[in-house]
Amino acid sequence: GENVEQHPSTLSVQEGDSAVIKCTYSDSASNYFPWYKQELGKGPQLIIDIRSNVGEKKDQRIAVTLNKTAKHFSLHITETQPEDSAVYFCAAIDFGNEKLTFGTGTRLTIIP
Amino acid sequence: DGGITQSPKYLFRKEGQNVTLSCEQNLNHDAMYWYRQDPGQGLRLIYYSQIVNDFQKGDIAEGYSVSREKKESFPLTVTSAQKNPTAFYLCASSIAGVAFFGQGTRLTVV
Repeated sequence: GENVEQHPSTLSVQEGDSAVIKCTYSDSASNYFPWYKQELGKGPQLIIDIRSNVGEKKDQRIAVTLNKTAKHFSLHITETQPEDSAVYFCAAIDFGNEKLTFGTGTRLTIIP
Repeated sequence: DGGITQSPKYLFRKEGQNVTLSCEQNLNHDAMYWYRQDPGQGLRLIYYSQIVNDFQKGDIAEGYSVSREKKESFPLTVTSAQKNPTAFYLCASSIAGVAFFGQGTRLTVV
């Protein structure tokens, strides 16, 4: 089955700096890679996603890159703000079986 | 209001008792999921269902059971066979891989 590894597990950055979170996956059949943000005591919410036929996608301060050959994808947050502090999860899915596998999460702290 | 609803938000049970967590969605999604979240361990898949009357075990199904009699509902039962049931439980539904989560149920077994 799919195995998703995520690094780092914790990340602290100064407000205004950039943050990068990296994930690797094992199943070459995976073709959709979403990123979720989870605030304390709440369910995760989708913030950006990328499909396997695209190498990069950007939405304002958030971007995701995908390297299918190396089986890794990354989340980039620029000009970080205090409200970016949360736990971020990457995930991978094979549309063939719809089994969504998550990474172990990254706790991002923005230092004012 | 479309969405996915989990109830209750907090649940306390005595050791050895079975307990059922509710998950309802009105998004008309075929796929539904149950995840368990423990500190530092991310989201681990318990069960998932791609269609009504069908479901598959996830990575940590032992001690849990589910049913999918209706498209809108995917209840999870935590049985007495689950050795360490205290955790935060998240239900999700998805379409084309895009998952929407409920707000979670925090189960504490005393």
